[in-house]
Amino acid sequence: DTEVTQTPKHLVMGMTNKKSLKCEQHMGHRAMYWYKQKAKKPPELMFVYSYEKLSINESVPSRFSPECPNSSLLNLHLHALQPEDSALYLCASSQVLAGGPGETQYFGPGTRLLVL
Amino acid sequence: GEDVEQSLFLSVREGDSSVINCTYTDSSSTYLYWYKQEPGAGLQLLTYIFSNMDMKQDQRLTVLLNKKDKHLSLRIADTQTGDSAIYFCAESANSGGGADGLTFGKGTHLIIQP
Repeated sequence: DTEVTQTPKHLVMGMTNKKSLKCEQHMGHRAMYWYKQKAKKPPELMFVYSYEKLSINESVPSRFSPECPNSSLLNLHLHALQPEDSALYLCASSQVLAGGPGETQYFGPGTRLLVL
Repeated sequence: GEDVEQSLFLSVREGDSSVINCTYTDSSSTYLYWYKQEPGAGLQLLTYIFSNMDMKQDQRLTVLLNKKDKHLSLRIADTQTGDSAIYFCAESANSGGGADGLTFGKGTHLIIQP
């Protein structure tokens, strides 16, 4: 099973709303990732969690707040977003190894977010 | 830093072979990846290659790696309409500590002509 699930599939929110994106995997992976993908662009890394601790934050604005409550779950809390934050948000997971094939990342289907 | 380059479009006839090319800059990358993205979907891992290999074959897919020129290619034999998608080449940031993010090329849109 190489499945990563994400909910919701689609989300529309106003600039004053607070919402959360959820990601789950049951592959025993100890690294989880958030990427942002704008239309017709490649995914860009936002955050990396390794063993439930934030290890990489790619200078993401504080209106995006990640959380990793356990080894299977990853959340992205959204608050006071801007229309330019509209994008596909992708979650991925992998094992944690130094340069090995186990680091191969498996992606979820994404949450398509529209900020009005 | 890392930089990954791909051509944006490739058009092939159904049944022909497709060859998608990629160049990368980070010589310390140990693994290089190919992902497929269909419209409105997430990324599907197609294959990966270890940097000390020069070729890997998996059914209709053949990956060639020229480490000296930092050039990676993906060949899809007998291209079908279901292969129509965007193909991303990616390398790991490879800080050595594990759990690094991926740097993606801009993606090559494969268009299949009937």
